[in-house]
Amino acid sequence: DQQVKQNSPSLSVQEGRISILNCDYTNSMFDYFLWYKKYPAEGPTFLISISSIKDKNEDGRFTVFLNKSAKHLSLHIVPSQPGDSAVYFCAAPFGNEKLTFGTGTRLTIIP
Amino acid sequence: DADVTQTPRNRITKTGKRIMLECSQTKGHDRMYWYRQDPGLGLRLIYYSFDVKDINKGEISDGYSVSRQAQAKFSLSLESAIPNQTALYFCATSEWTGDGYTFGSGTRLTVV
Repeated sequence: DQQVKQNSPSLSVQEGRISILNCDYTNSMFDYFLWYKKYPAEGPTFLISISSIKDKNEDGRFTVFLNKSAKHLSLHIVPSQPGDSAVYFCAAPFGNEKLTFGTGTRLTIIP
Repeated sequence: DADVTQTPRNRITKTGKRIMLECSQTKGHDRMYWYRQDPGLGLRLIYYSFDVKDINKGEISDGYSVSRQAQAKFSLSLESAIPNQTALYFCATSEWTGDGYTFGSGTRLTVV
């Protein structure tokens, strides 16, 4: 049972515009969320995280929003750049032991 | 040198063969993990280890085994490879789960 879901397998956005990647979760016990970015032929790299005590966390062009009542988080990238083209995974620690990952969204930035 | 090194980077093997994927890390982390990535399925946990004497099955451990030879080394074995084990395999380390993982560059395994 997929406890972290990314329902959009792919997303295309014009360079300079906002990219919004979405993630839903089913386990209300999750209290921390992370986003990873993955380029081809490389391993995923940590991008940004958010604790459930916050509803927003910002790091440069990247902002993550958390809506606990809806069990939904989103990653906003503003402005989008060609180097942002990658696969993005959301993840949550499960039982404080290991991360469970979503299925990923492939973001393509169109020049 | 990379913090997490996986070998080999690519491997083609035949059905029924035994194969070992190796992972070593210089982060000094106790926790190590093996994941596989399949299109449309994301990253799924195979095995994880919190120290040399602690080995745990993940969600898809059938057909795999692991060995934690040292704090820095964690190997994944396919005892008798089958075609549906064709995937990208990633090793990762962490100090604690919420700190995020450091991943290796992956091993692309093809079973024919």
